Amino acid sequence: QVQLVQSGAEVKKPGASVKISCKTSGYAFTSFALHWVRQAPGQRPEWMGWINPGTGNTKYSQKFQATFTITGDTSAKTAYMELSSLRSEDTAVYFCARGSREFDYWGQGTLVTVSS
Amino acid sequence: DIQMTQSPSTLSAFVGDRVTITCRASQSVSSWLAWYQQKPGAAPKLLIYKASNLENGVPSRFSGSGSGTEFTLTISSLQPDDFATYYCQEQNSDSFSFGQGTKLEIK
Repeated sequence: QVQLVQSGAEVKKPGASVKISCKTSGYAFTSFALHWVRQAPGQRPEWMGWINPGTGNTKYSQKFQATFTITGDTSAKTAYMELSSLRSEDTAVYFCARGSREFDYWGQGTLVTVSS
Repeated sequence: DIQMTQSPSTLSAFVGDRVTITCRASQSVSSWLAWYQQKPGAAPKLLIYKASNLENGVPSRFSGSGSGTEFTLTISSLQPDDFATYYCQEQNSDSFSFGQGTKLEIK
């Protein structure tokens, strides 16, 4: 069965960077886009960007263009997101999700807390 | 970016009720609209894609309709498991914007 398993919770200081992994199984990794979505406490989900694992091409939300990077490792069937220059407003649960337009499978989420 | 607005923000209903949630887009998204259900502490779950297509495994009491800028999600007979927050998401642009959510509560 399709599974997306994310790395564990992180606590970071303002100005630091965080890198989260999303390990996939149960389907052809290179056949589906992988997206990153975050959700701050009590807020709507917010799309951040996506990667085509087959080509490595990426597309980012303008909001995150300067501080956000998505990479993929086809041999490990794993995608990564890195967010730099963290601020308290980046405290949120970060999800990876599979799909081209609709997101049919999601990771369990990774809580990132940014606090001094 | 396309702005997505849902109404109502909160909805109280009884088990067995028929309920409808509305989602409006700031510009046409054609039929590229998805609906998700989210429970506390969990990831969103896809219910409907391309406005009216039921995702595999989702009960048939869920249905979606609409096109352009106005869409609806209908639950024909509420079950206890349906009390959750529902989000619409446009799939037509590179912003994949979500609505602010509709929290469905037990009356």
